[in-house]
Amino acid sequence: EVQLVESGGGLVQPGRSLRLSCAASGFTFGDYAIHWVRQRPGKGLEWVSGISWDSGSKVYADSVKGRFSVSRDNAWNSAYLQMNSLRLEDTALYYCVKRLSGDTRAFDIWGQGTMVTVSS
Amino acid sequence: QSALTQPPSVSGSPGQSVTISCTGTRSDVGSNKGVSWYQQPPGTAPKLIIYEINNRPSGVPDRFSGTKSGNTASLTISGLQAEDEADYYCSSYTSSNTYVFGTGTNVTVL
Repeated sequence: EVQLVESGGGLVQPGRSLRLSCAASGFTFGDYAIHWVRQRPGKGLEWVSGISWDSGSKVYADSVKGRFSVSRDNAWNSAYLQMNSLRLEDTALYYCVKRLSGDTRAFDIWGQGTMVTVSS
Repeated sequence: QSALTQPPSVSGSPGQSVTISCTGTRSDVGSNKGVSWYQQPPGTAPKLIIYEINNRPSGVPDRFSGTKSGNTASLTISGLQAEDEADYYCSSYTSSNTYVFGTGTNVTVL
């Protein structure tokens, strides 16, 4: 079964850091770009970051640029989102998503999400 | 990057058709074919239902169809069914190599 499983969420104080992990299975992880999408409680989807199959390209939303860092380890079929200088507005459910192959700009596999709560 | 604009809600009776619009700019929707649509029933993760404007992944009913004209994309659900009740989001690849989602539309089956 093709799946992505996020972990690492939790309660953290403003200004602190958190690292999210995404474990993939059921497909050749190293062939696909991986992205992170978040959803604040009761709100819509927001694209956060993406990393190419070979880590050669990393992109970020303006709202997290300079604070978040995306990485991956193809040997471990895993992707990561390092979140520093967390703010109250970073509170959200964070989804790890797989991008379709080639030049197709869409996300076909979504994890169940991991909740990050930033609060003092 | 501002979110793409969608109507907050649409509704229809079973069997009817509803259309959801998604308005962006020439830097996102209007600039490429990377428009996709996602269905999110309450309490679940989003599911891809349309990619590259009008393509359906395997297993998605052909009741779902997409179009694009200029800076506006649209999703049409034909033959509305109770199971179609969900939030729907459009997304677009942008000229900055990033992505932007729409504001979301809640579909209610009357």
